[in-house]
Amino acid sequence: DTGVSQDPRHKITKRGQNVTFRCDPISEHNRLYWYRQTLGQGPEFLTYFQNEAQLEKSRLLSDRFSAERPKGSFSTLEIQRTEQGDSAMYLCASSSTEINEQFFGPGTRLTVL
Amino acid sequence: SQQGEEDPQALSIQEGENATMNCSYKTSINNLQWYRQNSGRGLVHLILIRSNEREKHSGRLRVTLDTSKKSSSLLITASRAADTASYFCATSNDYKLSFGAGTTVTVRA
Repeated sequence: DTGVSQDPRHKITKRGQNVTFRCDPISEHNRLYWYRQTLGQGPEFLTYFQNEAQLEKSRLLSDRFSAERPKGSFSTLEIQRTEQGDSAMYLCASSSTEINEQFFGPGTRLTVL
Repeated sequence: SQQGEEDPQALSIQEGENATMNCSYKTSINNLQWYRQNSGRGLVHLILIRSNEREKHSGRLRVTLDTSKKSSSLLITASRAADTASYFCATSNDYKLSFGAGTTVTVRA
């Protein structure tokens, strides 16, 4: 399978715990994006990498959120001290520089109890 | 904030009928993309239309773009039960996508 993959697909955690999600983009894509989607809404942009450089972070990404993309391949999104308001679907997408056609992974559904 | 706004919010049609949904946006764009999302799953890319294009086809899908009205439409012809999903338009200036809240389409057998 050469699509975008995400792990885990589901995560249930207690408030205050830290969680980390992983995204593996399509191998030839140098751009990687994280979005968050809540029920009944469209995805909202969180952050964007071109190769290993994080080029933009949304205001939605509070200090508790951090994303990395070491070596410009896979990416991780960590949420520290989770809150119930963090419950959402976290989507990763990738694209090439030439064509901004973004391909999404299946998402990680986070539930914070 | 979300730039795109789909209309209608929900649509119910009979199998075999056509489904049309619209998207309006506020600022200038480089391209507009349509995505499908089945319940609780990831987004599937359907079609990308550039700002200098007016119409594009892909299988049973037809997308139009009117940059003067800042609007786009997605037409699904000869709908099937498998087309039941939420459909989102997403606008792009450079890299990030701005999505609307989507149109939920239900195709009745």
